[in-house]
Formats: sequence, structure tokens, C-alpha cells
Amino acid sequence: QVQLQESGPGLVKPSETLSLTCTVSGGSISSYYWSWIRQPPGKGLEWIGYIYYSGSTNYNPSLKSRVTISVDTSKNQFSLKLSSVTAADTAVYYCARVRIAAAGKLGWFDPWGQGTLVTVSS
Amino acid sequence: AIRMTQSPSSFSASTGDRVTITCRASQGISSYLAWYQQKPGKAPKLLIYAASTLQSGVPSRFSGSGSGTDFTLTISCLQSEDFATYYCQQYYSYPITFGQGTRLEIK
Repeated sequence: QVQLQESGPGLVKPSETLSLTCTVSGGSISSYYWSWIRQPPGKGLEWIGYIYYSGSTNYNPSLKSRVTISVDTSKNQFSLKLSSVTAADTAVYYCARVRIAAAGKLGWFDPWGQGTLVTVSS
Repeated sequence: AIRMTQSPSSFSASTGDRVTITCRASQGISSYLAWYQQKPGKAPKLLIYAASTLQSGVPSRFSGSGSGTDFTLTISCLQSEDFATYYCQQYYSYPITFGQGTRLEIK
């Protein structure tokens, strides 16, 4: 079965760029959509954006100016970059596969990675 | 963005109880709704998609219903492992949005 694993620095300084990678194992990254979702400590879930294996993307407008999601099919990985971070970007970051709903809509998330906590602090 | 509002935000129940969590969308989303369960320190786990379709491997005591703006997640007979936080998620339009969560605690 497909498994996802996030990796990257757990501490990022304010104004710098947060960079995370999600490695997909047990299946190919091709022919699927993949997403990043985050959860500030003690708070709810926020969708960041998605990428198709071909490279097409869609981002949450609330973060669009600072987010870049990319894919490396040769490594079965996709990545997140979030620039100009502040303390408000401190969160557990999850990667997940996006399932396709009826009428071609991108739908629900399954499976998820275990998540990685990124703290923004000097 | 479509706003998803869950109620209650938290409540207590006992094992064996039947519980219902409500999720309301700020505009109609047809049946483009999913439910997740999250336990402390763990990633969310998909329970239901398309408002009422049970994900493979999820116990049948979980069920979902609704369409349009009002949805419910029902747990027919609470088990100890069901005490967790539950989230709804709409995928009718972008940005994809989640409810604020409902925390289910042991009474």
C-alpha cells in the first residue's frame, strides 16, 4: 500500500524559506494528485495546495504568493517551499494523496503522511 | 472560500452511546464532503467520502449523511477507540476547506 513520509528541517528562522519533501513509497507518484496540508499546534487543518504528477498546481489563495509545490517523478517525491515565514507558519505539515471525486473534482485525502512539525523561530 | 462549521466543538459521551456530529457549509456543496478522525499526535484518518461512502476498513458503526449544506457523522455505538477529534472537509470548490473540528471526549 502507498505510504508517504515527510522530511525536512524542524526549525526555520523568520523571513526564511521552509522546505519540505514528501517521499512516496509502495506505489508510483504518477497518475495521481498530491497535496500539502498543515495544522498549527492545537488548531484545525489548512489545505496548502496540490500538484499533479505532470506538474500542474493549485494553491490556496491565502498562501499562493509564498507557496511553490514541485514534483520529481524520478525520485517519487514532491516538495513544498513556503517563503518569508513567520511564527504563524509554525505547524505540523502533512503530505497526502488526493483522490478524485465524481465529475473529475479533486476530492478527499488518503493516505496521509505522519506529519512533521516545523517551528519558525530565531 | 466555503466556510465549514461543525457543531458541537466538543462534547463528552460514554462508550455504547450513539453520537452525531453536524457539519454545515456556508453554501451548497452537493455531496462533496469527507469526514476524518484524528487522534493526538497522529495524522487524520479518512472515514467517509462523498458524504456517505464508508472508506474501506472503517467500522460500520460510522455513517454519514446529508447533501447541500447540512451533513452529519453518526457513530452508532461508541467504542473506546473512537474518542478523538473529527473534521469535515469540502471539496466542491477551491480552496478546499475543513471544519474547525469536534473533539469527542470520554464522560
